[in-house]
Amino acid sequence: GAVVSQHPSRVICKSGTSVKIECRSLDFQATTMFWYRQFPKQSLMLMATSNEGSKATYEQGVEKDKFLINHASLTLSTLTVTSAHPEDSSFYICSAPTSQDTQYFGPGTRLTVL
Amino acid sequence: QKEVEQDPGPLSVPEGAIVSLNCTYSNSAFQYFMWYRQYSRKGPELLMYTYSSGNKEDGRFTAQVDKSSKYISLFIRDSQPSDSATYLCAMTRGYSSASKIIFGSGTRLSIRP
Repeated sequence: GAVVSQHPSRVICKSGTSVKIECRSLDFQATTMFWYRQFPKQSLMLMATSNEGSKATYEQGVEKDKFLINHASLTLSTLTVTSAHPEDSSFYICSAPTSQDTQYFGPGTRLTVL
Repeated sequence: QKEVEQDPGPLSVPEGAIVSLNCTYSNSAFQYFMWYRQYSRKGPELLMYTYSSGNKEDGRFTAQVDKSSKYISLFIRDSQPSDSATYLCAMTRGYSSASKIIFGSGTRLSIRP
C-alpha cells in the first residue's frame, strides 16, 4: 500500500522551544494531509487539515498560532509546535488520502516536552 | 453524546476464536466506513473500508455495515496472537477518504496463545 513517513519518530525538547515534525507521502501526491494528536489510551483527535498551497483548516479548540502547519509541496506537510509545554507531550500522527479512496497514516511522532 | 461509540475493552480471547468488534454511530450522514488496527506506539494501519451496507470479506477479516441500524462490525476469524492490538472504527461524512475521519475510541484486543 501507499507509504506515509514521519520524521522524527521521537523527539524530546525543553519547555519553551519549538519542534518541527515532517510528514511525507512517499509514492503518491497528496493535496490534503491531516494532523492528529493521540494521548495515551485515547483515540486519535483531528487537529487540522493541511492543504497544499493554502492555509490549513484547524479544528475547534486547536490554536493555530501554536500549531503551525505548512504544506509546501504535494508530498510534504510540516507541523511546528511552537513554545512547547509539557501538556503538548503527545503522539502526533499525520495521514494522507490516496486516489484509490483510502487514507494512510504515518508511523507517528512521539513528542516529550520536559 | 459522541458521534461514534466503541467499547474500549479490553477484550481477551483465546487463539483461534472468532472476534467481534462493534461500533455504533449517531449521524446518518456518515457514508464511508473503515477499520484500522494500531499496535502500541505505531500509526494506525488500514484494514478494511466499505461504502455500502452488507458484508465485505478480506482473508480472515469481515467488515459488516448496517446503515439502517447505524451499526458496524469487524469480525476476525481464526484469531492469532499477532492480532493483539487496538482496533479503531472510523467513518467519514463524505464518500471520499479525503474527508475528515471521525474515529471511535478503539477496542484493545488481546489474543491468548
